[in-house]
Amino acid sequence: SAVISQKPSRDICQRGTSLTIQCQVDSQVTMMFWYRQQPGQSLTLIATANQGSEATYESGFVIDKFPISRPNLTFSTLTVSNMSPEDSSIYLCSVEGTGDNEQFFGPGTRLTVL
Amino acid sequence: GENVEQHPSTLSVQEGDSAVIKCTYSDSASNYFPWYKQELGKGPQLIIDIRSNVGEKKDQRIAVTLNKTAKHFSLHITETQPEDSAVYFCARREGGRRALTFGSGTRLQVQP
Repeated sequence: SAVISQKPSRDICQRGTSLTIQCQVDSQVTMMFWYRQQPGQSLTLIATANQGSEATYESGFVIDKFPISRPNLTFSTLTVSNMSPEDSSIYLCSVEGTGDNEQFFGPGTRLTVL
Repeated sequence: GENVEQHPSTLSVQEGDSAVIKCTYSDSASNYFPWYKQELGKGPQLIIDIRSNVGEKKDQRIAVTLNKTAKHFSLHITETQPEDSAVYFCARREGGRRALTFGSGTRLQVQP
């Protein structure tokens, strides 16, 4: 399995501002994913981020709102831009392991937008 | 990807009883089916998974069964304990796509 850390663990932000979430993995991984989990809901994929290429976004998510960086094989960032209260969610970083391609999750970043 | 339907949404059992959660899918290209446990304030934790070439997999008190013909898979927890209380999510991955599609979750409460 992979050990994944996220920063910050939680934040309270004002509408109209932006927040960048960091994801750090203890081993090199090819596939990284960002998910959103709205309060009491399931997980929804935002985008897939591979090192050295542009992130691939799912329907309903756009790069201007959720820009992603993937500078190397152990790190990625997700920015939530121009936030509104509807962006209040848990944002989860996930990686695909190098063994049998299991997917592991970080602890999440709990974002509240006022 | 297409949705995964998960039932029940809530499940309450007595300690020591068994718990069963079922998921159904419609995409026959799905080939990987993991189950995650999410405790309050934490990220989802992979607890067991099964691939499309296997019908059943067991790990101590946890087992998963897959019926490819009927397109459903189930999580079985035996001898439940209070620490099994959490939200459980099923998921699937279709061939050629790396990301997972998740079910809606089941809140399991094990009463001591």
